[in-house]
Amino acid sequence: KAGVTQTPRYLIKTRGQQVTLSCSPISGHRSVSWYQQTPGQGLQFLFEYFSETQRNKGNFPGRFSGRQFSNSRSEMNVSTLELGDSALYLCASATDQETQYFGPGTRLLVL
Amino acid sequence: EDQVTQSPEALRLQEGESSSLNCSYTVSGLRGLFWYRQDPGKGPEFLFTLYSAGEEKEKERLKATLTKKESFLHITAPKPEDSATYLCAVRSNNAGNNRKLIWGLGTSLAVNP
Repeated sequence: KAGVTQTPRYLIKTRGQQVTLSCSPISGHRSVSWYQQTPGQGLQFLFEYFSETQRNKGNFPGRFSGRQFSNSRSEMNVSTLELGDSALYLCASATDQETQYFGPGTRLLVL
Repeated sequence: EDQVTQSPEALRLQEGESSSLNCSYTVSGLRGLFWYRQDPGKGPEFLFTLYSAGEEKEKERLKATLTKKESFLHITAPKPEDSATYLCAVRSNNAGNNRKLIWGLGTSLAVNP
């Protein structure tokens, strides 16, 4: 089976812009979770989608949003980018609330 | 409150020097405990899932064990390629928080040749 894919892999934006990241889960997986990872901060949970519904949400401002499509592919959007949004954004898929499998991540740099 | 604590934060070993990493957890009913390995700039790679106290799983030089309060990741005769950050996560049966996955901060392991 193909693994979790994320696009783009690298992205450079400027403050105030918005960005959309994409995640394609493993075939058959209906749960997609998003995480932000910065040096020394560990994995910070953004949100989880299951069957097109947001099931869990982390403690991030409303500038961070996401959605899931009927084919389980997911996107996350960050509006009005800030310097502190520079991070590795990770997507993970699972059959349900079981083992999560991660993609390679999208490295976002905000200048 | 559900919580996961990993220790030590960092560990440096000589090649062949066995050791253990610890993951202590506090959850209201354990649904599963997960171990991952992460290399710099990459997504975490799944290693093991443990479900109940007394369970053990092995993969090459790694062995994970589970008690009611903690899990250990034992590394036997490590090699330099085992250098990575090892992450632990726990999912509780607490429907009140929609069974969120709780992550530890990880243990950074360096194995010197």
